[in-house]
Amino acid sequence: KQEVTQIPAALSVPEGENLVLNCSFTDSAIYNLQWFRQDPGKGLTSLLLIQSSQREQTSGRLNASLDKSSGRSTLYIAASQPGDSATYLCAVTGSQGNLIFGKGTKLSVKP
Amino acid sequence: NAGVTQTPKFQVLKTGQSMTLQCAQDMNHNSMYWYRQDPGMGLRLIYYSASEGTTDKGEVPNGYNVSRLNKREFSLRLESAAPSQTSVYFCASISTGTLTYNEQFFGPGTRLTVL
Repeated sequence: KQEVTQIPAALSVPEGENLVLNCSFTDSAIYNLQWFRQDPGKGLTSLLLIQSSQREQTSGRLNASLDKSSGRSTLYIAASQPGDSATYLCAVTGSQGNLIFGKGTKLSVKP
Repeated sequence: NAGVTQTPKFQVLKTGQSMTLQCAQDMNHNSMYWYRQDPGMGLRLIYYSASEGTTDKGEVPNGYNVSRLNKREFSLRLESAAPSQTSVYFCASISTGTLTYNEQFFGPGTRLTVL
């Protein structure tokens, strides 16, 4: 059974820092990996999608990498801002297109 | 382009009452999903529909039923609500390619409380 783990569960950094969020999965047979952002009381906003054949994707200050063989992905956020404060969720796509989620990393960026 | 829409946004039920959560997507996606999100448990799959006319159980299907009314709509029904079903419910849809899945899109969620 596929399991997704995110470390750390919570992270607090000062504004301007570069930071890395980690995601690991137990079964390397994935279709793709998706990173989401969730603000308190809100829905999920898709940030980046990495297909299984790709190694990384970039969008603005965000860069996500994927290493299928080791079962790992990282989300790199450059020059963090208070507006980046949210919970970040990692999910891998299962055989029926369903997503298997980690429990998230709650990020707080202090001004 | 509305994407994935869900109704209602909030609902309070008494134990034993029934209700249907509605979901619709306008992206012509084949596959649709219902998840629930609970503190400390993350998001878990309840039911999914790989295509119009088909539905299958996910990780936590007990106490729920679903209907894929047409390609656009996928509803989730609680026949006899229980306090354990207090949760936030998300509907999602995805387009499929040849031997691959693309980006999954989520609705805004329904916050359900069962007293």
